Amino acid sequence: GENVEQHPSTLSVQEGDSAVIKCTYSDSASNYFPWYKQELGKRPQLIIDIRSNVGEKKDQRIAVTLNKTAKHFSLHITETQPEDSAVYFCAASIVGAQKLVFGQGTRLTINP
Amino acid sequence: EAQVTQNPRYLITVTGKKLTVTCSQNMNHEYMSWYRQDPGLGLRQIYYSMNVEVTDKGDVPEGYKVSRKEKRNFPLILESPSPNQTSLYFCASSLSRSGRGHEQFFGPGTRLTVL
Repeated sequence: GENVEQHPSTLSVQEGDSAVIKCTYSDSASNYFPWYKQELGKRPQLIIDIRSNVGEKKDQRIAVTLNKTAKHFSLHITETQPEDSAVYFCAASIVGAQKLVFGQGTRLTINP
Repeated sequence: EAQVTQNPRYLITVTGKKLTVTCSQNMNHEYMSWYRQDPGLGLRQIYYSMNVEVTDKGDVPEGYKVSRKEKRNFPLILESPSPNQTSLYFCASSLSRSGRGHEQFFGPGTRLTVL
């Protein structure tokens, strides 16, 4: 089955700097890659997703890149702000299937 | 308000005492899932359901049961809870299998402690 590895497990950056979180997946059939943000004590919420027919997607300060050949995808946050502090999860699945496999999570801390 | 609800939010119980965590969504979503969240392990899918009376195992189904008798409800049942089932549990739903409907909406979570 699918296996998703996420790195780093913790990340600390200065406010205004960029943050990058990386994930690798094992099943070449996976074609849907969402990213979820979970603030302390809250539920996970989708922040951006990408399908395998595109290599990059951007939404304001966040972007996701996908390398199908290498089977890895990354989340990029630019101009980080204190409200970006949270745990971020990547995931992989096949469109049409509901079996979603998550990475282990990255705790991002933005230092003022 | 469109939402996924779970009850109870917090539960402390003892080994072997059957319990049910309820999950309900008011968005007419077809798909529902249960996850458990443990430190360092991320979110792991327990069971999912693609429609009424259609359920399937996720990655960690042992010790759990589910049912989907109505579209809006997807209860998680622990017939004989054990301490290794102490965890934070999330229910989630999504509209459909394609397009924007693939986004999963999570409930608020249920923190379960089994002594």
